[in-house]
Amino acid sequence: SQTIHQWPATLVQPVGSPLSLECTVEGTSNPNLYWYRQAAGRGLQLLFYSVGIGQISSEVPQNLSASRPQDRQFILSSKKLLLSDSGFYLCAWRVAGGQIRNFGPGTRLLVL
Amino acid sequence: ELKVEQNPLFLSMQEGKNYTIYCNYSTTSDRLYWYRQDPGKSLESLFVLLSNGAVKQEGRLMASLDTKARLSTLHITAAVHDLSATYFCAVDNMDSNYQLIWGAGTKLIIKP
Repeated sequence: SQTIHQWPATLVQPVGSPLSLECTVEGTSNPNLYWYRQAAGRGLQLLFYSVGIGQISSEVPQNLSASRPQDRQFILSSKKLLLSDSGFYLCAWRVAGGQIRNFGPGTRLLVL
Repeated sequence: ELKVEQNPLFLSMQEGKNYTIYCNYSTTSDRLYWYRQDPGKSLESLFVLLSNGAVKQEGRLMASLDTKARLSTLHITAAVHDLSATYFCAVDNMDSNYQLIWGAGTKLIIKP
């Protein structure tokens, strides 16, 4: 069966510090991968998606970046965090051509 | 502008009652998703509705889709406390590589 992992689960970082969040998927090949952000009490905002290794599409201009160094690994990064980067970051995967996005457990980021 | 609108955004109800959450969307789409999110947790897929007139049921939840009216409903029958959560609907944007457009979510509180 397929599983999706995210780490860390929670993170408190000072403004201006770098960020690296990792997402890995097991039990499937060539998935579509997604990074979403959810502000407190709000809906989901798509940040990046990837249909393959090294292929990243950005939905919203921001100080974040994403990379997909391996088929089942998706990384969200920032060189300098802003206060507005605080939120709940969710990684999701989908079988290529499939419908359902399956979400990981999420990383809660607080920037102080 | 492509929009998905849910209403109500907040619903407090007593156990044993019935209620319906509505999801209207503005884009041409034939795929609609319902997700559940418990407080502080990730999103769990509930239903995928793939065609006009589709109806799916799981326990006390039933979802339906009317693509002509661009409307989906999530009906709760004889609500129980365990159904307290935030419910999101989302549709595939067929004009943008099938990226999801999300509703703002309906926070449902069911009182014993």
